[in-house]
Amino acid sequence: GDSVTQMEGPVTLSEEAFLTINCTYTATGYPSLFWYVQYPGEGLQLLLKATKADDKGSNKGFEATYRKETTSFHLEKGSVQVSDSAVYFCALPFYNQGGKLIFGQGTELSVKP
Amino acid sequence: EAGVAQSPRYKIIEKRQSVAFWCNPISGHATLYWYQQILGQGPKLLIQFQNNGVVDDSQLPKDRFSAERLKGVDSTLKIQPAKLEDSAVYLCASSRDRVGDGYTFGSGTRLTVV
Repeated sequence: GDSVTQMEGPVTLSEEAFLTINCTYTATGYPSLFWYVQYPGEGLQLLLKATKADDKGSNKGFEATYRKETTSFHLEKGSVQVSDSAVYFCALPFYNQGGKLIFGQGTELSVKP
Repeated sequence: EAGVAQSPRYKIIEKRQSVAFWCNPISGHATLYWYQQILGQGPKLLIQFQNNGVVDDSQLPKDRFSAERLKGVDSTLKIQPAKLEDSAVYLCASSRDRVGDGYTFGSGTRLTVV
């Protein structure tokens, strides 16, 4: 069935370092792909999305490209800030079951000054 | 537009007690979801409503969990009786259409069962 796999955390970086969080998926067809972010004590917020192959989603300096050939949607940011410390979730909708979102297990990012 | 409202924010109960959570989705959003997020894991769907009908409740432990969405707007999720393993954050989300092309989540209710 459809599934999402994320790299395990936690990831600890210094401020201004380059960030990559890997996400690969298994799906029937070509669903939209999402990255959500969860700041401490808060609910999930949509960070970015891509709706078709080769699309690049971007927001707040974060980017992710929908790679059909490698079934990946890796999250990247060129220079992280302390305020980016959060848990990041990759997700895809399971269209065969009403469009529910399936989430990866989450990757915790901690950015040190 | 106003976001998804949830209450309470925190709840501590003893095992075998009952508890209820409330969610008010974004106005006009037909689809409402309840997710359970156990510490260190991704959210897991418990139940999905389309208006006031259930679309998917395959992961809802029906012997103890129940949910309803009266008049296709607000929703309540109940646990009776609670177990220790029910300790989690319960997230409500809504979306405009059934395909779920991106949800808006509430802040969640953190439940601790002792």
